[in-house]
Amino acid sequence: GAVVSQHPSRVICKSGTSVKIECRSLDFQATTMFWYRQFPKKSLMLMATSNEGSKATYEQGVEKDKFLINHASLTLSTLTVTSAHPEDSSFYICSARTGTGVETQYFGPGTRLLVL
Amino acid sequence: EDQVTQSPEALRLQEGESSSLNCSYTVSGLRGLFWYRQDPGKGPEFLFTLYSAGEEKEKERLKATLTKKESFLHITAPKPEDSATYLCAVQVFGKSTFGDGTTLTVKP
Repeated sequence: GAVVSQHPSRVICKSGTSVKIECRSLDFQATTMFWYRQFPKKSLMLMATSNEGSKATYEQGVEKDKFLINHASLTLSTLTVTSAHPEDSSFYICSARTGTGVETQYFGPGTRLLVL
Repeated sequence: EDQVTQSPEALRLQEGESSSLNCSYTVSGLRGLFWYRQDPGKGPEFLFTLYSAGEEKEKERLKATLTKKESFLHITAPKPEDSATYLCAVQVFGKSTFGDGTTLTVKP
């Protein structure tokens, strides 16, 4: 099956600092990547969709200047949480798929962010 | 607005006690329905994709079915290792909408 990795798996940072999370598709080329946020015992909340080489499309209510997404290659997307605050603490999960049709999304293992 | 509702929210079974999870949806132009399994602190793991009403797919103790309004995930003779949260998602025009999940606990 398709494998998606995320790094780091967990990160603790001080309020006001920026944190970068990497998402890689290891054995396939990901035309489209997604970033989700998940609160405890809640479902996945889509933050943004990115296509390789294009600007990300953010969901309503997601601050694009705070959550910077870059999808520079077919195997790598990054999410940077800028000037993180405690309310940004959450579980962030990326997913990737090969095209823009009805292809399956494969998920990374997630990154636990704690902002102190 | 596309809606996906999963029920029950939580399900507790004894080992070997078969049951079904439900995913009902209200969307315009369903292009695909997906089932995922998520363990605590991990990303969702892909299980099945269903494309049209009447389609069925099986994997070990799991069987997924699809009608025009809902999908079922049947679990036959579950084992404790089947304990997890099961998520369904519907895809319309390239974007997937997820349900809130059913948390399954299987007691030995």
